[in-house]
Amino acid sequence: DAKTTQPPSMDCAEGRAANLPCNHSTISGNEYVYWYRQIHSQGPQYIIHGLKNNETNEMASLIITEDRKSSTLILPHATLRDTAVYYCIVRAPNTGNQFYFGTGTSLTVIP
Amino acid sequence: EAGVAQSPRYKIIEKRQSVAFWCNPISGHATLYWYQQILGQGPKLLIQFQNNGVVDDSQLPKDRFSAERLKGVDSTLKIQPAKLEDSAVYLCASSPSGGRRTDTQYFGPGTRLTVL
Repeated sequence: DAKTTQPPSMDCAEGRAANLPCNHSTISGNEYVYWYRQIHSQGPQYIIHGLKNNETNEMASLIITEDRKSSTLILPHATLRDTAVYYCIVRAPNTGNQFYFGTGTSLTVIP
Repeated sequence: EAGVAQSPRYKIIEKRQSVAFWCNPISGHATLYWYQQILGQGPKLLIQFQNNGVVDDSQLPKDRFSAERLKGVDSTLKIQPAKLEDSAVYLCASSPSGGRRTDTQYFGPGTRLTVL
């Protein structure tokens, strides 16, 4: 599985959009980009995933560049409850390959 | 829909003692995972089951860790004997089989183990 690179920490003002970047320059054609987050003292929570088209759900939007070498997770209106560690993972589904969580980005939403 | 259940939530033991953790996945989920998360790091996969068979246990320290999922539903993870470096949160996750969201993993709250 391709490795990902994320900034270790970010701050965002409450109510503003939080844009979390992820580099995955060695991603393979069949690998999806997944985002999970982990709020303190809880298990990781699935947010969104995509292959090459942009995706949106009730939690977030995922923007994947045309060359698929990077992506951005967007939380459109960050709240204090979005303070968490965000993990970007690339993986080919149904291959039995592991999810490599890395160390993620620690997002702090500031009142 | 009930989530992934784990127990206990916290456990404190002395080194060389034994400990067991229990996980009940979401009903109908075929795949079950155990992860170890050391403070400040992301979760690391220990073992993956598909129904009651092991898919991947390459990162399980088999000299002291064991896991089973006898009837393809709930699972136990055991450490015997525990070492100081086993202090971590042990997370259980499950995922359904079939469909586009096959690989979406749903995590339990974890068991925080402290080895003294």
